[in-house]
Amino acid sequence: GESVGLHLPTLSVQEGDNSIINCAYSNSASDYFIWYKQESGKGPQFIIDIRSNMDKRQGQRVTVLLNKTVKHLSLQIAATQPGDSAVYFCAEVSQGGKLIFGQGTELSVKP
Amino acid sequence: DTGVSQNPRHKITKRGQNVTFRCDPISEHNRLYWYRQTLGQGPEFLTYFQNEAQLEKSRLLSDRFSAERPKGSFSTLEIQRTEQGDSAMYLCASSLDPGQGRSPLHFGNGTRLTVT
Repeated sequence: GESVGLHLPTLSVQEGDNSIINCAYSNSASDYFIWYKQESGKGPQFIIDIRSNMDKRQGQRVTVLLNKTVKHLSLQIAATQPGDSAVYFCAEVSQGGKLIFGQGTELSVKP
Repeated sequence: DTGVSQNPRHKITKRGQNVTFRCDPISEHNRLYWYRQTLGQGPEFLTYFQNEAQLEKSRLLSDRFSAERPKGSFSTLEIQRTEQGDSAMYLCASSLDPGQGRSPLHFGNGTRLTVT
């Protein structure tokens, strides 16, 4: 069946360093992917998305890379700040627009 | 605040009681989704609506669960005869019709249910 998974469950970085969070997906027919940030006690917050007709998309301090050949997605956060500490989920958008989430990666930023 | 709003934020109930949660989506969004999330896991899809029509229900949604969106605006999720295994965060999200290009889901802050 369809599944989305993350390579690393936890990631600890120094403030100011760049962070890279990875994600693998299994459905080669998926054409839309979204990264969410979830802080404790809050709902997932949209960060950035990408369609399968692109391999890179940039936002403010964040970049999403999509490698369709190996079905891999990554989120890069530049100059990581303490406020970036949270759990990050990649999600695959299936037919009907519903999201299939992976387990998540917890990002911890050390000052 | 024009985001997705969920009420209540927290609900503690005894096993066997019924509970109802409410979700107010972003006003121009015609899609509304319910998800459930347990500690350390990603959200799991429960059901979704296109306007007032419920288009899909997950196998996770047992007969004790029912969702409505009577006027195509706010939605309610009711759980009857609650069980301890129902304890979770219940998240609501809304979006535009995916047919309109990029249409990410926007989530509320959830209702945390504790069944004792």
